Amino acid sequence: AQTVTQSQPEMSVQEAETVTLSCTYDTSESDYYLFWYKQPPSRQMILVIRQEAYKQQNATENRFSVNFQKAAKSFSLKISDSQLGDAAMYFCALYWPGGGADGLTFGKGTHLIIQP
Amino acid sequence: GAVVSQHPSWVICKSGTSVKIECRSLDFQATTMFWYRQFPKQSLMLMATSNEGSKATYEQGVEKDKFLINHASLTLSTLTVTSAHPEDSSFYICSASGWGADTQYFGPGTRLTVL
Repeated sequence: AQTVTQSQPEMSVQEAETVTLSCTYDTSESDYYLFWYKQPPSRQMILVIRQEAYKQQNATENRFSVNFQKAAKSFSLKISDSQLGDAAMYFCALYWPGGGADGLTFGKGTHLIIQP
Repeated sequence: GAVVSQHPSWVICKSGTSVKIECRSLDFQATTMFWYRQFPKQSLMLMATSNEGSKATYEQGVEKDKFLINHASLTLSTLTVTSAHPEDSSFYICSASGWGADTQYFGPGTRLTVL
């Protein structure tokens, strides 16, 4: 079974500052994908960033970047120059395409608050 | 690109009735669609995976006779909650991915309230 753990139920950061959200996971597979999704109050799930496990290079999307440590099974999200629109629930998710049910395994989420 | 719609966005029904939720991929062919359930202030839990033209695969603990899933075309999947009860009240979210794709794109969700 695969598990995803987000140990920070809530994080708060000043606008324009940098914040890092933690995520650890457990899987016995070697080829998988990791994602960060954002869920604002509208509840629409929005893809923030994805990482292929076979790639050593950390993914980056504008102000969002990850620190992927495969051996440690860690996948943290760094948000630089935080903006008010970044306020949302952030979910870390794991996907392994080889299983019978190919859905995402989500962590419990981190509520990110942006202080103006 | 990669837009997924859901309809309705919210629905209120009486206990014992059935409710159908539609999930459509608008600009790509969704070979696989997924249905998730999210309770307030909780994470998303996968209910079932459906491949176009095949029977859905349900997660352990999800009653397939209660949550009927149909994926008859490459752009449409439906979830029917049969004989709904108040405990079925929840937020239902679908997602879709294309052939060989590893990334899922989510619909906006449907809030179901059963009275």
